[in-house]
Amino acid sequence: AQSVSQHNHHVILSEAASLELGCNYSYGGTVNLFWYVQYPGQHLQLLLKYFSGDPLVKGIKGFEAEFIKSKFSFNLRKPSVQWSDTAEYFCAVNPSSGNTGKLIFGQGTTLQVKP
Amino acid sequence: NAGVTQTPKFQVLKTGQSMTLQCAQDMNHNSMYWYRQDPGMGLRLIYYSASEGTTDKGEVPNGYNVSRLNKREFSLRLESAAPSQTSVYFCALRGGVYEQYFGPGTRLTVT
Repeated sequence: AQSVSQHNHHVILSEAASLELGCNYSYGGTVNLFWYVQYPGQHLQLLLKYFSGDPLVKGIKGFEAEFIKSKFSFNLRKPSVQWSDTAEYFCAVNPSSGNTGKLIFGQGTTLQVKP
Repeated sequence: NAGVTQTPKFQVLKTGQSMTLQCAQDMNHNSMYWYRQDPGMGLRLIYYSASEGTTDKGEVPNGYNVSRLNKREFSLRLESAAPSQTSVYFCALRGGVYEQYFGPGTRLTVT
């Protein structure tokens, strides 16, 4: 079965530290990839997405992610986190076949940034 | 996301009670989805609807039914609530290519 795995469940960083959250998926075909963020008490918001082209994609609020096809990975990065980045982060995959638009989500990573 | 609204925001049910979660959109998109979010499990798809009048099961459909009577609304019904259905429920719709826009969620507790 298709699955998405986020290796870090809970990450604690100090402000200005660099961030990298891992995401791996299991699907051999073409995929569309997403990172969503959920701030405390809010709904999920799209952070960035990858469909094709340059494997390094930039999103909102200084986040970026790199798609490495050979590693089935789509890791999220930010050079310098802020206290306001405290949130839960979800990686999601949409297998391109079927065209249902269904997303398969990872378990989520809770990021806590200490001021 | 103002384009997707969900009601109610909070609900407490007793085991065996029924209720319907409502979702409405004003973005004129065809595909809509219902997810549940549980700690440590991410979001799991319950049901989805590719268009008005069509619905399909997702990953965890047992104990739920859905209705898509028109393009704007997609409701999720719990016929006989169980404690295992305590969760946060999100409605989403597909916009753009494959990205999804999420509603604010309904926090359901079943005692």
